[in-house]
Order: sequence, then structure tokens, then C-alpha cells
Amino acid sequence: GQNIDQPTEMTATEGAIVQINCTYQTSGFNGLFWYQQHAGEAPTFLSYNVLDGLEEKGRFSSFLSRSKGYSYLLLKELQMKDSASYLCASTGSGAGSYQLTFGKGTKLSVIP
Amino acid sequence: SAVISQKPSRDICQRGTSLTIQCQVDSQVTMMFWYRQQPGQSLTLIATANQGSEATYESGFVIDKFPISRPNLTFSTLTVSNMSPEDSSIYLCSAAAETNEKLFFGSGTQLSVL
Repeated sequence: GQNIDQPTEMTATEGAIVQINCTYQTSGFNGLFWYQQHAGEAPTFLSYNVLDGLEEKGRFSSFLSRSKGYSYLLLKELQMKDSASYLCASTGSGAGSYQLTFGKGTKLSVIP
Repeated sequence: SAVISQKPSRDICQRGTSLTIQCQVDSQVTMMFWYRQQPGQSLTLIATANQGSEATYESGFVIDKFPISRPNLTFSTLTVSNMSPEDSSIYLCSAAAETNEKLFFGSGTQLSVL
């Protein structure tokens, strides 16, 4: 089975840095995705971590620790448009299968 | 990256009727999936659409209620059958070029059942 936990809501100030944590317990873990979802829209891909460590992509960075079952998404220089839900998702698959399980999402509100 | 067209974008349906949602990908993809997102909730996988064979359903979802077709590597449909108000949700088509590749999503179908 798979269990993914992330905070329900967070609030941060424009221009600041925010870290959204995700813990997971999965069988056959393969990698960890982060998606952004604006209200009323489909999720869009942000990052995918397979190896331990930090991956930086512009204002967004994602970190993974496989031994701790832990990931975070770091957003720098926050902008109002970053207000959205951020979904953590893990892949847990055996050979020949693929399944993405999503957390409930963290609703981030960026305030002036 | 893959571009996924999904339609209809929204519909309001009567109880007991059925709705078929179409998903078209602009390139051949190995994996196609159907998700449901209920209000305020995260995404729940309904099934994996397998090309040329029966879909693989997740626990709690059955073929009679959610028949799925995938006639080729770029197209799939999901039918929500004998609808009830509990089926009101957003239904999302997704695709990945290969196993364990990132998922791309269609824009979703907002379904309301009266």
C-alpha cells in the first residue's frame, strides 16, 4: 500500500521562501513527483526525484531522502501566481507496472 | 512533452444516464490513466487504460460502472455509467510516454449529476 502525508494548507508572503514537506510510506517506491494545480485547472508537472538530494529548477527546488521517506518542495521569491495546490505523488511499482499515488495536496496562499 | 485534449470540459447530467469522456494525446504514449478528483480532495486513480486489452481497475472501481476503451496509443475514453450525484467530480485523463516518466494531464471534465 501507499500512504502520503503533506500539510493541508500554508500561507506565505510574496518574495519569501516556503518549504512544503511530504512524507511517504510506499511499497516498491521508485520516485517522487511534485505537481502544481491551480484552482479549476489540471495538475502540471514540477519535478521528479529518483535519487537522494536536491534538484534545483529556477525558483523551485525539490529534495528527496529515500531512507527517511521524505521530500520537500522549496519555492523561492514567491509570487502571487504561486498560490495553488501542490501535490506530492509517489510511484510504487513492480516490474511492468506503473502507478502514481497522490497526496491530498497542500494549498499555498501567497499574500502581499 | 505531450499535449492532451479532453472533452467535454464540463457537463451536467441527469441521474441514471451515462457520459463518455474522450482523451486525445498528440503523440503515441505507452501509459494512459484515468483519475477522479472529488471536491477538495486529491487525485484517485480509477484505472490504467491498456491499449488493445481490458483496462486495469483500482480497488473500488469496476468495469460495469466505468468502462474504458483504448483502441490505439493516442486515444482513450472513459464512460461514467448509470450516474448518481455521488459521481459528481472532476475526471482527469493522463498519459506518460514511458513507464515511470512524468505524467501529463488533460484539462479535466467537470461532471455534475443532478
